[in-house]
Amino acid sequence: QSALTQPASVSGSPGQSITISCTGTSSDVGAYNYVSWYQQYPGKAPKLMIYDVNQRPSGVSNRFSGSKSGNTASLTISGLQAEDEADYYCNSYSTSSTRYVFGPGTKVTVL
Amino acid sequence: EVQLVESGGDLVQPGGSLRLSCAASGFTFSSYWMSWVRQAPGLGLEWVATIKQDGSEKYYVDSVKGRFTISRDNAKNSLYLQMNSLRAEDTAVYYCARGAGWWDIWGQGTMVTVSS
Repeated sequence: QSALTQPASVSGSPGQSITISCTGTSSDVGAYNYVSWYQQYPGKAPKLMIYDVNQRPSGVSNRFSGSKSGNTASLTISGLQAEDEADYYCNSYSTSSTRYVFGPGTKVTVL
Repeated sequence: EVQLVESGGDLVQPGGSLRLSCAASGFTFSSYWMSWVRQAPGLGLEWVATIKQDGSEKYYVDSVKGRFTISRDNAKNSLYLQMNSLRAEDTAVYYCARGAGWWDIWGQGTMVTVSS
């Protein structure tokens, strides 16, 4: 069982915006600005999309943005495209014995 | 090109051992924290272990403490994961990843199957 909570699936039409939530506690998401997001296609390695809550690595589309409020972090994909259909995982530093915790993942479907 | 290439995955019996390797290229390996992250078949990502640049600090998920050991050889630009007392629940693709807390470079993964 993951320490973080994500919706199992989110869907949207091309061009729309969607938001994926990642809910933790005051021991992880709420404690530090060390939340990251990963995109993963089936059978492929994950790709870093957002780090430190809202920082975008070089080369990642500006359609991807991150934010945090309290114990919940969010990943927003604007101008949804067919290529965005993938699994998305959040991760947070944690003060628990498990230093880094992942969410269970969210499957994004482009309708 | 910045690259991580894992090797060493195999089919092993419960209670057995395995050593994974990760060869780094295209960046100054000794300047980065490094980690192992795994993914069981059909399931999500799970952080396994992380090691500091000089190997002086190591962190593990509770489920592998005392069984797995992360290490590195900066002269060989290589990261390792020694896995002992393997269990069925250790079956997963093991990824080598650059960083600690967020991981910007990932290998392609190596499959470890623990089964009799």
